[in-house]
Amino acid sequence: GAGVSQSPSNKVTEKGKDVELRCDPISGHTALYWYRQSLGQGLEFLIYFQGNSAPDKSGLPSDRFSAERTGGSVSTLTIQRTQQEDSAVYLCASSTNAGGQPQHFGDGTRLSIL
Amino acid sequence: QKEVEQDPGPLSVPEGAIVSLNCTYSNSAFQYFMWYRQYSRKGPELLMYTYSSGNKEDGRFTAQVDKSSKYISLFIRDSQPSDSATYLCAMSGTGSARQLTFGSGTQLTVLP
Repeated sequence: GAGVSQSPSNKVTEKGKDVELRCDPISGHTALYWYRQSLGQGLEFLIYFQGNSAPDKSGLPSDRFSAERTGGSVSTLTIQRTQQEDSAVYLCASSTNAGGQPQHFGDGTRLSIL
Repeated sequence: QKEVEQDPGPLSVPEGAIVSLNCTYSNSAFQYFMWYRQYSRKGPELLMYTYSSGNKEDGRFTAQVDKSSKYISLFIRDSQPSDSATYLCAMSGTGSARQLTFGSGTQLTVLP
């Protein structure tokens, strides 16, 4: 497709389980971002990838969160030992490069931790 | 205090009205300014993108940036019920500060 694709669109899991969220960016976009959107905190930056450079992980809230990007395209965000406060919408965005170019978002994964 | 402040609303206007949405910010390093529209259970959709100060117009939408006052605005002319959504301002700096910092969003309802 032409836009950013995220899967699954919804995920319900039990506390303590691990989850994996996937993002397929717009073709040709070298920069990829993960954000989290929750009612109390709004939209918060998590992690950013640019080409083959080391990712900027400065927004990850704890070491239970990790992400990787394979082949400069698809990215997965992994949350280990999920907690109820991890419940949120996880959004992925991509841009042509990282130098202030506009970011285009997917529709997100709605994660609910029971 | 948050880096980006945005009135959460809700804001309700009649169809055809001019809507004014605003954000203030404190970080003088911000150089790129964006407005996103977000419908319920959808991702943010880019509406306007501007660099530094000035005005930009696209159809019924006008974005204004006043860096001296650290104030940005989005105007919607001839508002339509389909404009009902949450509007998010976002901004970023240059260099290593590439992630977007968002306002909390303003919920807009345009009544037919």
